[in-house]
Amino acid sequence: GDSVTQMEGPVTLSEEAFLTINCTYTATGYPSLFWYVQYPGEGLQLLLKATKADDKGSNKGFEATYRKETTSFHLEKGSVQVSDSAVYFCALSDRDKLIFGAGTRLAVHP
Amino acid sequence: GAGVSQSPSNKVTEKGKDVELRCDPISGHTALYWYRQRLGQGLEFLIYFQGNSAPDKSGLPSDRFSAERTGESVSTLTIQRTQQEDSAVYLCASSLDGQTNEKLFFGSGTQLSVL
Repeated sequence: GDSVTQMEGPVTLSEEAFLTINCTYTATGYPSLFWYVQYPGEGLQLLLKATKADDKGSNKGFEATYRKETTSFHLEKGSVQVSDSAVYFCALSDRDKLIFGAGTRLAVHP
Repeated sequence: GAGVSQSPSNKVTEKGKDVELRCDPISGHTALYWYRQRLGQGLEFLIYFQGNSAPDKSGLPSDRFSAERTGESVSTLTIQRTQQEDSAVYLCASSLDGQTNEKLFFGSGTQLSVL
């Protein structure tokens, strides 16, 4: 079945560092791809999405490009802030539901 | 309400007891989802409602798990004869009409601990 694999955390960075969180997927069709974020004490919320190959999703300085040839959707940000500390989940659409990865915890220190 | 509301936020129960978890979706959202998140693991899909019907129950792990939705609103997830492996955070989400590209709105979850 369809699945999502993301890099294990925690990822620990200093403020203003470059961030990459890797995500790869397995799917029989052409799913839409998503990044959701869970800030401490809050529910998951959509960060960005891409619906077809080569699309780039972006929001709050984060970007991810849908790469069909490598079945990847890596999350990047050029300069992280302490307020970006959260758990990040990669997900794909599978007909009527989303399939999520295990989540990657990011901790950003001043 | 403004967002998806789940209750209780925490539930501690003894092995073998039944529990009910409640989800109030955003008003007007026809699609409702239940997920489970065990410690250190990803979100595991349980069941999806479109209106009051459940076209996809494929994620329910056993017949001890059931869910219903009434009035195209509130949903209840029931776990009978709880086991320790049922301990997890149970998350509810809703979306406007269940299209696969749509944004899901999540509640804060119910932390279930089975002793």
